Amino acid sequence: DQQVKQNSPSLSVQEGRISILNCDYTNSMFDYFLWYKKYPAEGPTFLISISSIKDKNEDGRFTVFLNKSAKHLSLHIVPSQPGDSAVYFCAASARGQGAQKLVFGQGTRLTINP
Amino acid sequence: NAGVTQTPKFRILKIGQSMTLQCTQDMNHNYMYWYRQDPGMGLKLIYYSVGAGITDKGEVPNGYNVSRSTTEDFPLRLELAAPSQTSVYFCASIISGSGAYEQYFGPGTRLTVT
Repeated sequence: DQQVKQNSPSLSVQEGRISILNCDYTNSMFDYFLWYKKYPAEGPTFLISISSIKDKNEDGRFTVFLNKSAKHLSLHIVPSQPGDSAVYFCAASARGQGAQKLVFGQGTRLTINP
Repeated sequence: NAGVTQTPKFRILKIGQSMTLQCTQDMNHNYMYWYRQDPGMGLKLIYYSVGAGITDKGEVPNGYNVSRSTTEDFPLRLELAAPSQTSVYFCASIISGSGAYEQYFGPGTRLTVT
């Protein structure tokens, strides 16, 4: 049972345009969401997060939107740069469950074309 | 700070062999985790630990064992390696009680079982 789903395995975007990565979840107990970025042969690195009490969080070129009723979140990158080419993982946590465990989606490979 | 370090980076095992994947963090984090990532899949939690002497199973613990004798180290043991354990293994850590859920990841160990 995949509790966190990223239905697009890959996405290709022109440099300077907006990249939109999507993530859906099924567990209504999830109340904290994160995006991680992963380059080849490296570990994932934290990018941005959002608590369920918010519907938007912004950090520079990165904005995460949360739609709780649809159990959907998205990551917007504006403008997209070649260095943004990586695999992006969505992750979720149910804070009441303890141990701060994360459940990850399958990842979306983003390619930024010059 | 070196952060989270993992050794080895790569390893090839024959079926039935055993090995230990090493993980060390120097951030004084009390929570540590082991994940595996299969191609096209997200990270799956194998085992986690909330402190020295305390470990618990994650989503996919079969075929693995862990121990946590110190705050810094969290080794993962594979007994009787099987081809299904071919994967990339990531160790992660976080400090509890900070209100943040952003786990810090090591660079990974790529394991092939043939």
